[in-house]
Amino acid sequence: GAVVSQHPSWVICKSGTSVKIECRSLDFQATTMFWYRQFPKQSLMLMATSNEGSKATYEQGVEKDKFLINHASLTLSTLTVTSAHPEDSSFYICSARDPEVGETQYFGPGTRLLVL
Amino acid sequence: AQSVTQLGSHVSVSEGALVLLRCNYSSSVPPYLFWYVQYPNQGLQLLLKYTSAATLVKGINGFEAEFKKSETSFHLTKPSAHMSDAAEYFCAVKKPSGTYKYIFGTGTRLKVLA
Repeated sequence: GAVVSQHPSWVICKSGTSVKIECRSLDFQATTMFWYRQFPKQSLMLMATSNEGSKATYEQGVEKDKFLINHASLTLSTLTVTSAHPEDSSFYICSARDPEVGETQYFGPGTRLLVL
Repeated sequence: AQSVTQLGSHVSVSEGALVLLRCNYSSSVPPYLFWYVQYPNQGLQLLLKYTSAATLVKGINGFEAEFKKSETSFHLTKPSAHMSDAAEYFCAVKKPSGTYKYIFGTGTRLKVLA
């Protein structure tokens, strides 16, 4: 099956710093990737849809200047949390769609961010 | 607008017993439906999906789900629970066209008792 990786798997940073999270599709080309945020014991909240070569589409209420998304290639999307604050601490999960398969999203293992 | 409701945020079953996790959807058109499993501190793994073909869908690890349009349901079942099935389960819905976005349910945590 399709494999999606994320790096790093966890990160601790100081308040005010920026953190970049990478999402890679390892064995397929993903024209569309998605970024989710998950709070403890809650469901996944879609933050944005990332399309290769174009600007990301953000969901209502998600600050695009706070969460910068770049999808520079068919196998890599990055999420940068700028000027992170403790309330940004969360579990961030990406997913990727394999256009050859169709509708299924394949999920990465997630990145746990802790902002001190 | 589409939505997904998972009844029961926590479900406990004995090892060897039937697993039934409920998912009801709301959609203006027949949707695509998915079940994912999440183990602690991990991403989501696809269990099975319904994309307008056979209404009874078989997935991995012995799970299956039946799409019932009349009941707007897509409940997940497994005849005999195993300790390794303990995890969080998410139902998701997607329109068949026009978007690739999923709407996730709130999840059901399955506990398997020895």
